[in-house]
Amino acid sequence: GENVEQHPSTLSVQEGDSAVIKCTYSDSASNYFPWYKQELGKRPQLIIDIRSNVGEKKDQRIAVTLNKTAKHFSLHITETQPEDSAVYFCAAVEYGNKLVFGAGTILRVKS
Amino acid sequence: ETGVTQTPRHLVMGMTNKKSLKCEQHLGHNAMYWYKQSAKKPLELMFVYSLEERVENNSVPSRFSPECPNSSHLFLHLHTLQPEDSALYLCASSQESGGTYEQYFGPGTRLTVT
Repeated sequence: GENVEQHPSTLSVQEGDSAVIKCTYSDSASNYFPWYKQELGKRPQLIIDIRSNVGEKKDQRIAVTLNKTAKHFSLHITETQPEDSAVYFCAAVEYGNKLVFGAGTILRVKS
Repeated sequence: ETGVTQTPRHLVMGMTNKKSLKCEQHLGHNAMYWYKQSAKKPLELMFVYSLEERVENNSVPSRFSPECPNSSHLFLHLHTLQPEDSALYLCASSQESGGTYEQYFGPGTRLTVT
């Protein structure tokens, strides 16, 4: 089955700096890779996703890149703000609608 | 609101109790999920229902029993739980069609087993 590894487990950045979170996956058949953000005490919410036919996708200050050959994808947040502080989860679709999630990254943005 | 609701939001139960968690989605989706979230395993899939049929059971102990009476409702029946079952239980839903995979999560039920 699919296995997703996520790094780092915690990340502290200064406000205004960039943050990068990386994930690797094992199943070359996976074709959809979402990123979820979970603020403290709240539910996970989708912030950006990418499909295997695209190498990069941007939405304002966040971007995701995908390297199918190396089987890894990354989340990039530029000009970080305190409200970006949260836990971020990457995931890969295994089959059907089953998502396999990474272990999560706690991002702290220090002001 | 994402359209997925869960009740109760908090539950404290003894190891000999029987209780049920309820999830309802108002998004017209046809797939629903139960996840367990704990410090040990942040997002662990427990059950998947697609078109009201269970399609996944990730070796979950039998003290957890899911029920999906229709595409809008999902239950998780709990009995004789252990303290290590204390966690946040999240429900999610999605639409299985056209390669759309986004899952919408409910707010979760914080379960404490004493």
